[in-house]
Amino acid sequence: EDQVTQSPEALRLQEGESSSLNCSYTVSGLRGLFWYRQDPGKGPEFLFTLYSAGEEKEKERLKATLTKKESFLHITAPKPEDSATYLCAVLGSSNTGKLIFGQGTTLQVKP
Amino acid sequence: DSGVTQTPKHLITATGQRVTLRCSPRSGDLSVYWYQQSLDQGLQFLIQYYNGEERAKGNILERFSAQQFPDLHSELNLSSLELGDSALYFCASSPDNREAFFGQGTRLTVV
Repeated sequence: EDQVTQSPEALRLQEGESSSLNCSYTVSGLRGLFWYRQDPGKGPEFLFTLYSAGEEKEKERLKATLTKKESFLHITAPKPEDSATYLCAVLGSSNTGKLIFGQGTTLQVKP
Repeated sequence: DSGVTQTPKHLITATGQRVTLRCSPRSGDLSVYWYQQSLDQGLQFLIQYYNGEERAKGNILERFSAQQFPDLHSELNLSSLELGDSALYFCASSPDNREAFFGQGTRLTVV
């Protein structure tokens, strides 16, 4: 069964303190791994898609990487506006768009 | 703004009632997905439609049904509502059955 586990559940950082979020997955035939950002009461906002091990994507202070078993979301010199829940999801080999989501990591960045 | 529109934003209804949630996908996207997000379950896939046809089903209750119309908008019907159905319901659309773009959700409260 496809499964996604994110760690830590919650992370508190000081502004400027870099860190990484982890997403471990088991899936039969990975067709994509996705990172989303979600603010309270809002819909998930698409950040990145990674398709194969070794791939990296960057956007402002965020960088996503992928191995055969996990993905990392690196946050460099975070700012308070980066505070949100970050969700990881995988797309398996079935011919559907069904995403399997992790429980998310809630990031709080203090000024 | 993802381009996916959901209405209404909030809905409060009594147990036993029936409600309809509406979703307009991004222009040109043929796939529409429905997800449920509750505090203890995270984001759970309910159902996918592709160009009017049901493509995949998740753990959707028999009391819930959905359809996609010729203009590609979709409706999620929830009936015989229970307190446990209170949650955020998200619609997402995709151009390629991979990257999914989410709407802002409908917050359903059953009292």
